[in-house]
Amino acid sequence: GAVVSQHPSWVICKSGTSVKIECRSLDFQATTMFWYRQFPKQSLMLMATSNEGSKATYEQGVEKDKFLINHASLTLSTLTVTSAHPEDSSFYICSAARGTGSYEQYFGPGTRLTVT
Amino acid sequence: AQSVTQPDIHITVSEGASLELRCNYSYGATPYLFWYVQSPGQGLQLLLKYFSGDTLVQGIKGFEAEFKRSQSSFNLRKPSVHWSDAAEYFCAVVLFNTNAGKSTFGDGTTLTVKP
Repeated sequence: GAVVSQHPSWVICKSGTSVKIECRSLDFQATTMFWYRQFPKQSLMLMATSNEGSKATYEQGVEKDKFLINHASLTLSTLTVTSAHPEDSSFYICSAARGTGSYEQYFGPGTRLTVT
Repeated sequence: AQSVTQPDIHITVSEGASLELRCNYSYGATPYLFWYVQSPGQGLQLLLKYFSGDTLVQGIKGFEAEFKRSQSSFNLRKPSVHWSDAAEYFCAVVLFNTNAGKSTFGDGTTLTVKP
């Protein structure tokens, strides 16, 4: 149990376009989901915390208008990179916490975004 | 400042040798502690976690970790490394009373296994 999927696993888009990444908890309800960004050979950087039915909480330095996060249901959160630029190219990973007050999170397989 | 430190950026061990990856944290209180492993281009897999109780915790794939409060450490160990253990290893902490699951990660340690 506790499987998290991401779609797509990789995507290439042109500069100026928007791309949406989905994060789904397949066999549990996730009140809270997290979005991370990871550059090559680097650690995970938390971008935002997504709570079902409310606005996401963004980390300092993350542009809210550029990285739109929606957590419309207990099993789905989406990250939309708007007006993407080459510097947005990265590996995006989501995770989900099972239930309220859970301190353990389950990670998706990641999405590789390349902006040309 | 609150932080998680993995002092070793890269470690190389021979197959069959023992392994220890270091993790230190700097927080006012004892956080929840985790070790994850990441293969290239993949997500993170939880190896083990410490919330409370016995300070020596067993995880998957033959890994174990020991929490030492006096040293603010949570080092990962394996008695005999296999070639398939080559990967990136991350230590992470979650502070009590923060957003559920909000983690801070160390910079990671790359493990190379020599045949």
